[in-house]
Amino acid sequence: AQKITQTQPGMFVQEKEAVTLDCTYDTSDPSYGLFWYKQPSSGEMIFLIYQGSYDQQNATEGRYSLNFQKARKSANLVISASQLGDSAMYFCAMRELGTALIFGKGTTLSVSS
Amino acid sequence: SAVISQKPSRDICQRGTSLTIQCQVDSQVTMMFWYRQQPGQSLTLIATANQGSEATYESGFVIDKFPISRPNLTFSTLTVSNMSPEDSSIYLCSVVTSGRQEQYFGPGTRLTVT
Repeated sequence: AQKITQTQPGMFVQEKEAVTLDCTYDTSDPSYGLFWYKQPSSGEMIFLIYQGSYDQQNATEGRYSLNFQKARKSANLVISASQLGDSAMYFCAMRELGTALIFGKGTTLSVSS
Repeated sequence: SAVISQKPSRDICQRGTSLTIQCQVDSQVTMMFWYRQQPGQSLTLIATANQGSEATYESGFVIDKFPISRPNLTFSTLTVSNMSPEDSSIYLCSVVTSGRQEQYFGPGTRLTVT
């Protein structure tokens, strides 16, 4: 069965610093996708970044990059140059082919000035 | 990305009543899902809404409690039946669009049961 683990309940970072949010996963399916979402206090789920299991290069989207280490089954999110608006809950999620996303428990990121 | 709307955005309901949540997408999608997010928790999949057939429910969720319809490729409803305070949650519609891997979420329906 597929499983997502986020071990950091909370992370604290200062503005302009980089931060890494950890995510490990488990699946027996060779075809899967890894996702990160941001959920601010307003409650909306904002899609940030996607990495396919067959992608050779790490995904990047602006200040977000996904550090994909397939052998270790990890998919850490790196946020560069943190901003106050980055304060939110961050969820790692995985989807096997033809199925729905399953989510980790989330990490609360707090950015201070 | 798909534009997803949900109605209502929030509601306060009395126990024992039912609420139907609507999800409308601006383009045809291949897959539609319903999730629940209980206070302070992560998202849990309720079911996959199948067009023209019965939804596929996850363990712990049953059709009698959460009936789902999906009459076409762009619309779905979720009903929360015979509500209790434990049903107080955010309910989110989510879609995967044709030819894409990304999964997008509607703004959610914030339900409070008193």
